[in-house]
Order: sequence, then C-alpha cells, then structure tokens
Amino acid sequence: QKEVEQDPGPLSVPEGAIVSLNCTYSNSAFQYFMWYRQYSRKGPELLMYTYSSGNKEDGRFTAQVDKSSKYISLFIRDSQPSDSATYLCAMAGGSNYKLTFGKGTLLTVNP
Amino acid sequence: SAVISQKPSRDICQRGTSLTIQCQVDSQVTMMFWYRQQPGQSLTLIATANQGSEATYESGFVIDKFPISRPNLTFSTLTVSNMSPEDSSIYLCSVGSGGQTDTQYFGPGTRLTVL
Repeated sequence: QKEVEQDPGPLSVPEGAIVSLNCTYSNSAFQYFMWYRQYSRKGPELLMYTYSSGNKEDGRFTAQVDKSSKYISLFIRDSQPSDSATYLCAMAGGSNYKLTFGKGTLLTVNP
Repeated sequence: SAVISQKPSRDICQRGTSLTIQCQVDSQVTMMFWYRQQPGQSLTLIATANQGSEATYESGFVIDKFPISRPNLTFSTLTVSNMSPEDSSIYLCSVGSGGQTDTQYFGPGTRLTVL
C-alpha cells in the first residue's frame, strides 16, 4: 500500500459546481497536510496548509482533515475555469521535514 | 513566500550528455530540495541540498548520477549526468518555509527531454 493515495481523476465539472478532491494515507506519523495547485507547465503552488483534524476555510477553498480515518479532502465552492489545474495533496510528519505527495488529480472546470 | 527561479526552463538533450539546472532564491533559506516529476507519478524527492556539505540523497538516487551543489543560502544546482531517455522529466527545486510548518515552496520547474 502506498503511503498516500489520491483519487486519480481526471475530473471535469461545470462552472459553479462544488468540487471534492480526496487523499487517504497510511502513515500515522503524518501531522501536516497540504494542498498544492499546479497549473500546466508551472511549479506547484501552496494552496492550503493544516495540521489538525477539522476544517480550514480560505475563500472558496476548504481543507478537511480526518486523522482517525486518515483521510483529507479539499473542497472548492463555486468552481471557476481558472481553477482548472492539477491538485496535489502532500503530507509531512514528526521531525521529518520530507513531504510525501499524492499523484495529483487533474481538474477541468468548463465554462 | 520566497521567489524561486530555475534555469533553464526547458531543454532537449542527447543521450549520454549532462545538464546542470540552477535554482536561485530571492532570500536566504536553510532547506533546499530537488524533486523529479514524471508523467502520472508523484513528485519524488531526489535529495536535500545542504549548504556547505554534501547533499542527502533519497533511496534510488545517487550522487554520481545527480550531483548537487549548494554554495550558499540562496543558490543550488542539480546536474543530471550521463542522461538517458528515462531521465526525461520535470525537475523542480523547492525551499522550506522554516519554523515548524514543514511547508515548501516550489520553483517553476525545468522540463527535460532526452533523445
């Protein structure tokens, strides 16, 4: 079992839809959870960061962490064509600074 | 967050040659990292570039193939040596945010094609 599994997609939604992106993990040492957005031919851009179970909201984006189930999600409300990108979940834990990434989910928001 | 630039942005190279990728940060950072991103695969950490000492390589990556320099706190290079088509990938440098957060910020990447 891989340490981080991410729904592979691709995902295609109409503009205005609510998008749910998900990752599961197996390593209980993971304490920090991040979502990166990567536009085509660009580097990953940090979108959301959280370290506790529960929800964290930033504008149209909500990051959700459930440590008991080892499950994290990113919700995008009122999705826009500009949200079309690959979304990567990433995790780190303990004294180990290394990030472990999911494979990414390609999202397309259609106008 | 730090502003990170990479050179070259892309290159097409012949088998057996080497390419050096540069990563420049606009502020001093302690932690710098090099990743590889292959199609359909997770970002994979190649090594941590340590200032003033040898890089720390991850399992499956060796110094002879991916020599790294880190002469100061704002600059690092990654060389891909004796390239083969399997080395075709995007190579990314990143910097740590510092503190306790473990977050990292990425450069724009170098797209390498080996013929």
